[in-house]
Amino acid sequence: EVRLVESGGDLIQPGESLRLSCAASGFTFSGYAMAWVRQAPGKGLEWVSAMSGTGGTTFYADSVRGRFTITRDIYKDTLYLQMNSLRAGDTAVYYCAKFERWPDYYMDVWGQGTTVNVSS
Amino acid sequence: DIQMTQSPSFVSASIGDRVTITCRASQGINNWLAWYQQKPGKAPKLLIYAASVLQSGVPLRFSGSGSGTDFTLTISSLQAEDFATYFCQQSDSFPLTFGGGTKVEIK
Repeated sequence: EVRLVESGGDLIQPGESLRLSCAASGFTFSGYAMAWVRQAPGKGLEWVSAMSGTGGTTFYADSVRGRFTITRDIYKDTLYLQMNSLRAGDTAVYYCAKFERWPDYYMDVWGQGTTVNVSS
Repeated sequence: DIQMTQSPSFVSASIGDRVTITCRASQGINNWLAWYQQKPGKAPKLLIYAASVLQSGVPLRFSGSGSGTDFTLTISSLQAEDFATYFCQQSDSFPLTFGGGTKVEIK
């Protein structure tokens, strides 16, 4: 079974840092591009970042570029999102998702999400 | 950036109704469009990709059409388990963008 499990969400103060993890199983992790998508409370979906299967190409939304970094460890089958200088506007459920193919950037498998709450 | 405009934002419908949701891209995206279903407290689920290709396991009452800038998602006969929020997403280029969502509720 293809599965993605996020962790690392927390209640954190503005300006602090947090690292999210996404453990992948049931597929060849190194062969697929991956993404982070977030959803603020009561709002729609916002794509945050993506990384190609090789890890050689990364993309970021303007709202997080320079503050967030996406990485992957193919030996641990894990995707990460390092989030620095967090703001109240970053409060959301963060989903990890897998791209079925590259290009044609749609996401066929999603994790259950992890909650980040940025508040003083 | 490609803007995705979804309408309506809310639909009130009954079991058995035909429901149509539209999504418009701010520029042509060929058929690079996906549709997702999301239920409260759950992750989004892929329904359709490439505008009209049904993801494996998705019931045949769901269908998608369109190309260029205008797309539709149709539920031919609404079932109880279809009450959810639906999002379109352009899969053409980064930054990836989603429509604002359409909530389908029971009349």
